[in-house]
Parts: sequence; structure tokens; C-alpha cells
Amino acid sequence: AQTVTQSQPEMSVQEAETVTLSCTYDTSESDYYLFWYKQPPSRQMILVIRQEAYKQQNATENRFSVNFQKAAKSFSLKISDSQLGDAAMYFCAYRSINYGGATNKLIFGTGTLLAVQP
Amino acid sequence: DAMVIQNPRYQVTQFGKPVTLSCSQTLNHNVMYWYQQKSSQAPKLLFHYYDKDFNNEADTPDNFQSRRPNTSFCFLDIRSPGLGDAAMYLCATSRRPGTETYNEQFFGPGTRLTVL
Repeated sequence: AQTVTQSQPEMSVQEAETVTLSCTYDTSESDYYLFWYKQPPSRQMILVIRQEAYKQQNATENRFSVNFQKAAKSFSLKISDSQLGDAAMYFCAYRSINYGGATNKLIFGTGTLLAVQP
Repeated sequence: DAMVIQNPRYQVTQFGKPVTLSCSQTLNHNVMYWYQQKSSQAPKLLFHYYDKDFNNEADTPDNFQSRRPNTSFCFLDIRSPGLGDAAMYLCATSRRPGTETYNEQFFGPGTRLTVL
């Protein structure tokens, strides 16, 4: 079974600085998807960035980028120029390419709570 | 805006008293999911509907049931809530698998359930 591990329960960053959130996972599959979700306090979870395992190029979305190391099974999230609105719980998630076509089951890590200091 | 809506946002129930949580969507997605998220833990999938087909996770307790009367609505029924069922319950939706590469899941804001 696949597992996702986030070893940093809490992180803090100064506004305008850069922070990296760590995520490792375990799988025997060769192709899969990885995601970072953001869950602000009392608001819904939204997708931040996603990566297909067969793509070697790291995904980037504006101030958010990932460092995907497939051999090491590592998928870290870098947030550049941190803003107050980035404060949230961040979840790393794994999804297999195919669960028999019936579902897109996500396997989540336990999350990292990011605080942004003004 | 198209979205996933959960009602109520906060629900308090008594030990053993049945409770129903509601989810609706305006995205017209085929798949609807229910996740349980306990404090400081990862969201955990309870079950999902693919159209009218119900798919239960192997470790979801029998105490949890779900109904999907139409495409837009999905309900989570907890027949006899225990103290251990206190959690945030997240509803999510996605398109039919194979429609697009990532089949992104769209989440509602969640319902926080307190059991007294």
C-alpha cells in the first residue's frame, strides 16, 4: 500500500522569504500523480500544484514550485516570496494512475501547518 | 461560481444520536467522495459514489452510510455517533475518470462534527 509522510508538523516563514515543505512517499508503482493541497483555516482545501511521475521537469505555478526526486521518492514544495495569505495547512497527496477506472483515491500525508510572520 | 457546498459547517450531536451531513455540488461531476479528517491527521477516504455506484473503503465502519439521490447531492449518515467520530468531514467531487489527465478533486469547506 502507498503511504505519504510529512515530517514537519509546523513551519514558520517570514513574509517575502522562501520556505520548503517536505514530503516523502512510498510506492511500488512506476507511474502516479503527486499533489500539494492548501487548506486555509475554516476554508476548503484547494489544489496548489501537481506533478506526474513520468515527467522529469519539476512543476511550477507562480510562486509555488516542487522538487520532485523520483528515485528518492521525495516531493517537496517551495514557496517563494511568502505572503500572509499563504498561511495554511499544506497536505501532500498521492494518487495512482489507475484504480481500475473507478476512482481517483487520494492518499494524504498528515499535513504541515505553515505560519507566515509579518 | 461552480462549487462544492457542505451544510452545516458545524454540527453538534449527542452520543448515539443519528446525524446526517449534507454535500451539494454545482460542478455536475460524476464522482463524489466523503473523507474523515481527525485532528492532526490526514484526511481518510470513507467511500465514494461514481454516479449511482457506491464504493465503500474496506476499513470504513458500518456505522457510516451514504446516500446519493441525484447527481448534485450526497449525504453522510452516522447511525450511532461515538466520541471517536468527532472530526471534520470533507466532501469532494471529480469528473468521470479518464475525462482528463489529473481528474482533480474539488473540496467543500467541510463539516466539523462534535459528539457530546
